[in-house]
Amino acid sequence: AQKITQTQPGMFVQEKEAVTLDCTYDTSDQSYGLFWYKQPSSGEMIFLIYQGSYDEQNATEGRYSLNFQKARKSANLVISASQLGDSAMYFCAMRNTGTASKLTFGTGTRLQVTL
Amino acid sequence: DAEITQSPRHKITETGRQVTLACHQTWNHNNMFWYRQDLGHGLRLIHYSYGVQDTNKGEVSDGYSVSRSNTEDLPLTLESAASSQTSVYFCATQRQAMDEQFFGPGTRLTVL
Repeated sequence: AQKITQTQPGMFVQEKEAVTLDCTYDTSDQSYGLFWYKQPSSGEMIFLIYQGSYDEQNATEGRYSLNFQKARKSANLVISASQLGDSAMYFCAMRNTGTASKLTFGTGTRLQVTL
Repeated sequence: DAEITQSPRHKITETGRQVTLACHQTWNHNNMFWYRQDLGHGLRLIHYSYGVQDTNKGEVSDGYSVSRSNTEDLPLTLESAASSQTSVYFCATQRQAMDEQFFGPGTRLTVL
């Protein structure tokens, strides 16, 4: 069975600094996808970034990048130049090709950006 | 603009009552999902559907049912609400299997 582990329940970062949110996964599949979602205090789930297991380069979307280390089964989210609006819960999720659409989520990391 | 809506946004009900949470999308996506979010568990999949008349159980489906009579809607029914079903419920849609999922705003359900 697939599993996502986020070991940091909470993180603090100063405004304009970079921060890394950890995510490790467990799967026996060769083909899978990794997602990061942001959940601000308003509650909605916002898709941030996606990495496919066969992608040779790390995914980037603006200030978000995904540090994908396949051998270590880790898919850490890096947020550069943190902003106050980045304060939110962040969830890592995995999709296995065998299960097509279904996502398995981690328990999340709460990020607080301070002045 | 295409969107996904959930109603009601907040609901308080009593143990034993039947409750239906609505999910409506205008993206014309075939794939739809229901998740529940609880502290310490992240989001867990309740039911999902790959199209009209198709429904499948997720990892926490006991006590819940869904039906898909059209592309736009996937209502989630709690047959006999229990206090353990107090949670935030999210509906999500997906254009095709390899794509990201788009989430609705969520429904906060309290079962007293």
